[in-house]
Amino acid sequence: AQKVTQAQTEISVVEKEDVTLDCVYETRDTTYYLFWYKQPPSGELVFLIRRNSFDEQNEISGRYSWNFQKSTSSFNFTITASQVVDSAVYFCALSDLMDTGRRALTFGSGTRLQVQP
Amino acid sequence: DGGITQSPKYLFRKEGQNVTLSCEQNLNHDAMYWYRQDPGQGLRLIYYSQIVNDFQKGDIAEGYSVSREKKESFPLTVTSAQKNPTAFYLCASSMTGGVYEQYFGPGTRLTVT
Repeated sequence: AQKVTQAQTEISVVEKEDVTLDCVYETRDTTYYLFWYKQPPSGELVFLIRRNSFDEQNEISGRYSWNFQKSTSSFNFTITASQVVDSAVYFCALSDLMDTGRRALTFGSGTRLQVQP
Repeated sequence: DGGITQSPKYLFRKEGQNVTLSCEQNLNHDAMYWYRQDPGQGLRLIYYSQIVNDFQKGDIAEGYSVSREKKESFPLTVTSAQKNPTAFYLCASSMTGGVYEQYFGPGTRLTVT
């Protein structure tokens, strides 16, 4: 069954610290897509990144970087030099083909990141 | 500006009443989705639609209904049959195919007492 595990329920860091949010997924599909979303206190989910299963290159966008490792079924997200504005709940999600033949997006339970000034 | 709007932001209803949540998008996306989020949890799919006049049940469709008469609009009705309707409801849209990122609206927080 498709599954996304974000084992860290809550992380608290002090501003300027680096922090890594873990994401482990399970799928039987060979073609799948992974996503990270940010949910600030306002509630709206903000798309951060999409990665397909054939592209294992790591990605860097400013202070954000993502490490995709198929061998360990992980897609971890690192924030470098964290800032108070990074405080939010972060969701990892997996899009793959289900037994029904439809492609569905499965979300992890989220990691709440608190960055203290 | 392109985006997704949901209204209202907060909604209060008495038990036994049906309530309809609005979702409109001007991103020209074919696919639209409704999710439910409970405190401290991830998102669960209620209904989705890949094209006008067609929609499919998600993982937790019982007690909900939708319509898709226009490409831009995908309203969700929470019926009195829904046992625990109090939750945060998020609407999303994407290009069709299920492989593209979904863009989300600001959400509607529904409280039923």
